[in-house]
Amino acid sequence: AQSVSQHNHHVILSEAASLELGCNYSYGGTVNLFWYVQYPGQHLQLLLKYFSGDPLVKGIKGFEAEFIKSKFSFNLRKPSVQWSDTAEYFCAVKGGSYIPTFGRGTSLIVHP
Amino acid sequence: DVKVTQSSRYLVKRTGEKVFLECVQDMDHENMFWYRQDPGLGLRLIYFSYDVKMKEKGDIPEGYSVSREKKERFSLILESASTNQTSMYLCASSLVQGSTEAFFGQGTRLTVV
Repeated sequence: AQSVSQHNHHVILSEAASLELGCNYSYGGTVNLFWYVQYPGQHLQLLLKYFSGDPLVKGIKGFEAEFIKSKFSFNLRKPSVQWSDTAEYFCAVKGGSYIPTFGRGTSLIVHP
Repeated sequence: DVKVTQSSRYLVKRTGEKVFLECVQDMDHENMFWYRQDPGLGLRLIYFSYDVKMKEKGDIPEGYSVSREKKERFSLILESASTNQTSMYLCASSLVQGSTEAFFGQGTRLTVV
């Protein structure tokens, strides 16, 4: 069975600070990995995804994530956050089945 | 653009009522999912379907059933609503083949009183 663990449940930053959100997954085979974002009052939307190839994946709005297979990790990063990045962030893994499993989410608040 | 549309944004129902949540997708996706989103618990899978009339239980199916009579439509049914089913319900769809992501609807916030 696949599972996902997000280490940070609540993160509070000031604008221009750097961001790193941790995500670890549990699955022994080939995986697809995703980060989704949910802005206040909006639906979940895809930030970025990893399927194969370059382990450093770039997404929308300046976000990136690095897949480290040996650590079963897929951490999300952004060098300089903005107030508009305030949202909830979900890591997800899709292993042998076509069903994505989601982490518990990280609530990010960015103060202007 | 893929569009996943949920019939209601907000619903208030009474305990014991039968509740129907409807979801329609317009991209001919084979897979459709119903998740429940609760603070601190993330998204938990209730049911999914990989084809018309096919359904599989997810992690928390108790108290729910689903129906998929047409490829584009996936309904979640609360047979007898209870207060612990007050939550945000998210519908999603995806392709079966290939490495693709799930696309989500805007969610239905259900309150059972």
